[in-house]
Amino acid sequence: DAGVIQSPRHEVTEMGQEVTLRCKPISGHNSLFWYRQTMMRGLELLIYFNNNVPIDDSGMPEDRFSAKMPNASFSTLKIQPSEPRDSAVYFCASSFAGSTTEAFFGQGTRLTVV
Amino acid sequence: AQSVTQLGSHVSVSEGALVLLRCNYSSSVPPYLFWYVQYPNQGLQLLLKYTTGATLVKGINGFEAEFKKSETSFHLTKPSAHMSDAAEYFCAVSLMTGNQFYFGTGTSLTVIP
Repeated sequence: DAGVIQSPRHEVTEMGQEVTLRCKPISGHNSLFWYRQTMMRGLELLIYFNNNVPIDDSGMPEDRFSAKMPNASFSTLKIQPSEPRDSAVYFCASSFAGSTTEAFFGQGTRLTVV
Repeated sequence: AQSVTQLGSHVSVSEGALVLLRCNYSSSVPPYLFWYVQYPNQGLQLLLKYTTGATLVKGINGFEAEFKKSETSFHLTKPSAHMSDAAEYFCAVSLMTGNQFYFGTGTSLTVIP
């Protein structure tokens, strides 16, 4: 398996623009997580899905952020409108719920909002 | 509620010296415990994990960790640090009954030549 695949790896956008980050989890995994990493706040869980259903989105900063998982092999994290303070590295991870399986992380998307 | 505390956001050791990174957890049910490593500009990768059984677990790159239930700890050690060990290390806990992962704030390891 190729692991968790995220795209794009880097994104630079202007303030106010819409940004969409994409994630393909490992085949067979039924849990998917979106994390944000910054120097100031470390690694923060934004939202996680189980069997394509959002279970906990309490970490989503505000209404500008939304996440979807239309099927077991694809998820998106959208920021609209983007702001400079959204600049961070966004990680997607997947796992198999209820097992001893660890979370597998993608390489991340480095977002810069100017 | 579950949580993870990593003592020391920055640790420096000399090359060849013992590495000790501390992790304490809080969990209402028996936990699964993990250590991840993050190299610059990369994602997190698993070093080792404890699920059940032997409390001393060995991972990649010579690292090991011991689950001590009485101390609610899962400290990471390596007998002899190598320059390539310089990275960010994260401790995490998940629950046997669920699928949520809770991460510590990370410890940045510097290895001095």
